[in-house]
Amino acid sequence: EAGVTQSPRYAVLQEGQAVSFWCDPISGHDTLYWYQQPRDQGPQLLVYFRDEAVIDNSQLPSDRFSAVRPKGTNSTLKIQSAKQGDTATYLCASSLNANSDYTFGSGTRLLVI
Amino acid sequence: QQKVQQSPESLTVSEGAMASLNCTFSDRSSDNFRWYRQHSGKGLEVLVSIFSDGEKEEGSFTAHLNRASLHVFLHIREPQPSDSALYLCAVDTNAYKVIFGKGTHLHVLP
Repeated sequence: EAGVTQSPRYAVLQEGQAVSFWCDPISGHDTLYWYQQPRDQGPQLLVYFRDEAVIDNSQLPSDRFSAVRPKGTNSTLKIQSAKQGDTATYLCASSLNANSDYTFGSGTRLLVI
Repeated sequence: QQKVQQSPESLTVSEGAMASLNCTFSDRSSDNFRWYRQHSGKGLEVLVSIFSDGEKEEGSFTAHLNRASLHVFLHIREPQPSDSALYLCAVDTNAYKVIFGKGTHLHVLP
């Protein structure tokens, strides 16, 4: 079974630039999560979906961050006008349903200079 | 809002000595607890999941859950230098989402 696939692996931006991260969850998993993990800290939930619907995006900085999952499969997380404070690893995870274990992707490491 | 806190922030032990990590949570109705390990620059590796009060062992890792006291512990038996990593506690809420603590940095000295 293929795992959760994320791309790109790395991104380096200057402040003010935009970037998109892509996540392909495990086939059949209805729940998809995006986390932000600053260096040497625990992951912090940004947004999660059940199928194509956003369940909770209360921790997503809505002025610059957006996330979509239009067909309930792949998802894109976008940062408009990146700031140095956005430097972190962005992790995607999926689960079969609410009671199942998560599977994490290997993450996208973002550096904003 | 579920709060998850881990202690200590950093722990140094000698090879072979038991390492004990602590995680406290705020919502007794939380239904699933996991411990993850993350080596520097690497992804998350799930070590043990526990649903019920008591202990659960997976290899050299034992999780101990006590909902009444809002604690879940991780004990690492005979740790090796290769076990040096960031250890993360994750708590499921009733709203489909998992909240992580900030982690404990474990250093195992040879």
